Amino acid sequence: AQTVTQSQPEMSVQEAETVTLSCTYDTSENNYYLFWYKQPPSRQMILVIRQEAYKQQNATENRFSVNFQKAAKSFSLKISDSQLGDTAMYFCALSDDKIIFGKGTRLHILP
Amino acid sequence: KAGVTQTPRYLIKTRGQQVTLSCSPISGHRSVSWYQQTPGQGLQFLFEYFSETQRNKGNFPGRFSGRQFSNSRSEMNVSTLELGDSALYLCASSFFSEMNTEAFFGQGTRLTVV
Repeated sequence: AQTVTQSQPEMSVQEAETVTLSCTYDTSENNYYLFWYKQPPSRQMILVIRQEAYKQQNATENRFSVNFQKAAKSFSLKISDSQLGDTAMYFCALSDDKIIFGKGTRLHILP
Repeated sequence: KAGVTQTPRYLIKTRGQQVTLSCSPISGHRSVSWYQQTPGQGLQFLFEYFSETQRNKGNFPGRFSGRQFSNSRSEMNVSTLELGDSALYLCASSFFSEMNTEAFFGQGTRLTVV
């Protein structure tokens, strides 16, 4: 069965710092996608970054990057130069035939 | 292109009643998934529909059901509401392939059961 685990329920960092959110997962599939979604206080869930399991290169989107370790089934999100607008719930998700989410990490960016 | 639209945004129901929530996916998207979000349990997968057929189902009781219409719009129904059904219900649509490469979410329906 698919599982996604986010071990950090809540984190706080100062503006402009770098923060890393952890995620581990389990699947019996060899081909799958991994995602990080952001849910700001307004509630709309939006995609931050996506990683195809067959690609070794880590995905990067501007200030957001991932560290994908397939053998360890680890998929962490790094936010560089954090901004106040990054304050949100962050969900790690795994997709093989359906998308399953972790319980989320509440991230606070402090001024 | 319009996003995923969920109606209503807020709903208050009494225990024992039933409720129907609606989701209109992004044009061209054929897969619609439903999730229940609560503070304690996070996002839990309810079910997924593709071409009017339920493709996947999560671990929820039979009181939770859904359907999808030929225009890909989907409805979710909860019968005999319980207090524990109070949650944010999120709908997500995707352009279905064998694997969901990305899900686009609606703003959700906040259901409160009293």
